[in-house]
Amino acid sequence: RKEVEQDPGPFNVPEGATVAFNCTYSNSASQSFFWYRQDCRKEPKLLMSVYSSGNEDGRFTAQLNRASQYISLLIRDSKLSDSATYLCVVKKNNDMRFGAGTRLTVKP
Amino acid sequence: DTGVSQDPRHKITKRGQNVTFRCDPISEHNRLYWYRQTLGQGPEFLTYFQNEAQLEKSRLLSDRFSAERPKGSFSTLEIQRTEQGDSAMYLCASSPTGGTLATNEKLFFGSGTQLSVL
Repeated sequence: RKEVEQDPGPFNVPEGATVAFNCTYSNSASQSFFWYRQDCRKEPKLLMSVYSSGNEDGRFTAQLNRASQYISLLIRDSKLSDSATYLCVVKKNNDMRFGAGTRLTVKP
Repeated sequence: DTGVSQDPRHKITKRGQNVTFRCDPISEHNRLYWYRQTLGQGPEFLTYFQNEAQLEKSRLLSDRFSAERPKGSFSTLEIQRTEQGDSAMYLCASSPTGGTLATNEKLFFGSGTQLSVL
């Protein structure tokens, strides 16, 4: 079993749609959680951290369920510019492990 | 440009040759990571430095791979006797220490070195 598993995707949605990505992790001792965004042929960039209480940044909402070892990302009112690969990241000590990513394409 | 820089951007080599990549992290960042990424996959952790000390090394990193960060600033990743399976994007990332938890945990990636082994 991979340490970080994500929805395989790809997700193809129209502009304005709401889309949700899921991620599960295997190491119960994991300490911190993140979503990174990676555009085609570019480096990953931090989208947002994920806190136990859940957190929101504009159209993006992240949730963490430690008991189920599950992380989610919700994008509301999706824009063409949201098209990218979304990477779930789990950290234990200084070791940051990435999921394989979920590809999102937002179409006009 | 004060971001993470990697050199070269692209490297084409023949199987069996040695290659070396360089990473210059953001100057005040103590932590430096190397990752490898292949098409359709997320970045795979290779190794981690805090200052000049190599603190973690993945089981993926065979004896042919070695990384150094001699003065706690730039780092090099060398692959000896390259194999076709080594073809990938090699990403370097850095992060600071001493700030808030939020800033310390953020990884800043370079643009990567794309390696093609023929």
